[in-house]
Amino acid sequence: DVKVTQSSRYLVKRTGEKVFLECVQDMDHENMFWYRQDPGLGLRLIYFSYDVKMKEKGDIPEGYSVSREKKERFSLILESASTNQTSMYLCASLGAPSYEQYFGPGTRLTVT
Amino acid sequence: AQSVTQLDSQVPVFEEAPVELRCNYSSSVSVYLFWYVQYPNQGLQLLLKYLSGSTLVKGINGFEAEFNKSQTSFHLRKPSVHISDTAEYFCAVSKTGANNLFFGTGTRLTVIP
Repeated sequence: DVKVTQSSRYLVKRTGEKVFLECVQDMDHENMFWYRQDPGLGLRLIYFSYDVKMKEKGDIPEGYSVSREKKERFSLILESASTNQTSMYLCASLGAPSYEQYFGPGTRLTVT
Repeated sequence: AQSVTQLDSQVPVFEEAPVELRCNYSSSVSVYLFWYVQYPNQGLQLLLKYLSGSTLVKGINGFEAEFNKSQTSFHLRKPSVHISDTAEYFCAVSKTGANNLFFGTGTRLTVIP
């Protein structure tokens, strides 16, 4: 069974703090993704990575950066957290050739 | 670019009744289509997918969907719902052979006892 784990289920941070969200997958997948999920907006892609040290911007990259130093780990970084980044963050990895994305349980981030 | 419209944000239905959750997509190229389900406080899991072949796709938990290219639709159906089907359902589309998914805004299915 594919497992995608995220470092925290719930996180509360203050405005201006640097925030790290970690995601680890155990299936040797090359592709990994970070989404944010907001009510009424569905899931929106922030960044994705198709290989170690490779990254591409998604639809809403502003205010975020990512790091992929090892194949199994994909980190999302909020350089200076703001209240409008309060959201649910979901990580996923992709298994080819099935095109199925496997999701972690999510991190609910609150920025106060 | 691809986009997805889920016409109903909330669908209440009585237990053992049939349900249809609607999904329409927009794309100028060939697509792959997916339905994901999200149970409360969990991540998403794949219900079913259409990549090619038969337009009627069967998934887990008794769900099925039909790809209709002329109507650009991929509606999800179940003939008899259970309380445990209460969840949020997301339709998603990708360009054929691409890895990125575009998600709809979701439909919250509530099964009433």
